[in-house]
Amino acid sequence: QSALTQPASVSGSPGQSITISCTGTSSDVGGYNSVSWYQQHPGKAPKLMIYDVSNRPSGVSNRFSGSKSGNTASLTISGLQAEDEADYYCNSYTSSTKRVFGGGTKLTVL
Amino acid sequence: EVQLVQSGAEVKKPGESLKISCKGSGYSFTGYWIGWVRQMPGKGLEWMGIIYPGDSNTRYSPSFQGQVTISADKSITTAYLQWSSLKASDTAMYYCAVNFWSGYYGMDVWGQGTTVTVSS
Repeated sequence: QSALTQPASVSGSPGQSITISCTGTSSDVGGYNSVSWYQQHPGKAPKLMIYDVSNRPSGVSNRFSGSKSGNTASLTISGLQAEDEADYYCNSYTSSTKRVFGGGTKLTVL
Repeated sequence: EVQLVQSGAEVKKPGESLKISCKGSGYSFTGYWIGWVRQMPGKGLEWMGIIYPGDSNTRYSPSFQGQVTISADKSITTAYLQWSSLKASDTAMYYCAVNFWSGYYGMDVWGQGTTVTVSS
């Protein structure tokens, strides 16, 4: 099972909005509403930001939102802040291997 | 407060066995799936497998099936990840995580990670 496809890097200035895409197939992203997004700062454990495509766990800022269209899921961060600089990973249920991660996207806040 | 506390860093030689642990507290340990994720140095996350401590039902990624064993001891609310014969390529950070809200074995609350170094 290949990893889901994410851009290697994205960047934005404070206050701007950015979107990270996560492209899979009809066997994973497109077939199930079970896409999660994780934020990982260097040397830290991943943190769940979005689950089941668009749901935010308690305590996660509403600047983070998720969506899905076809085989591509997206994470949007609005009002970009310096603390948002981190690696972001998408993760989806897949009929073959149960769960699969994207390759990760490094977000740089300029 | 939900907590997953993982065992400490390990340094092993190729061919040795290893069992690392993840102790859950603050929730009903037997009622939620708990899984493991690998992160090799400088690389991304890889989903390894997951166990339901209530009945020890286990699912593995094909990439890890037969390479590791996931188990749980509900009497001490602890999940385990073990190797019978380590390789240098097992050098990585390993995270446990529990599935509370996400559908289909998602990883919601994470432990702090355990570093495993395999070197001769």
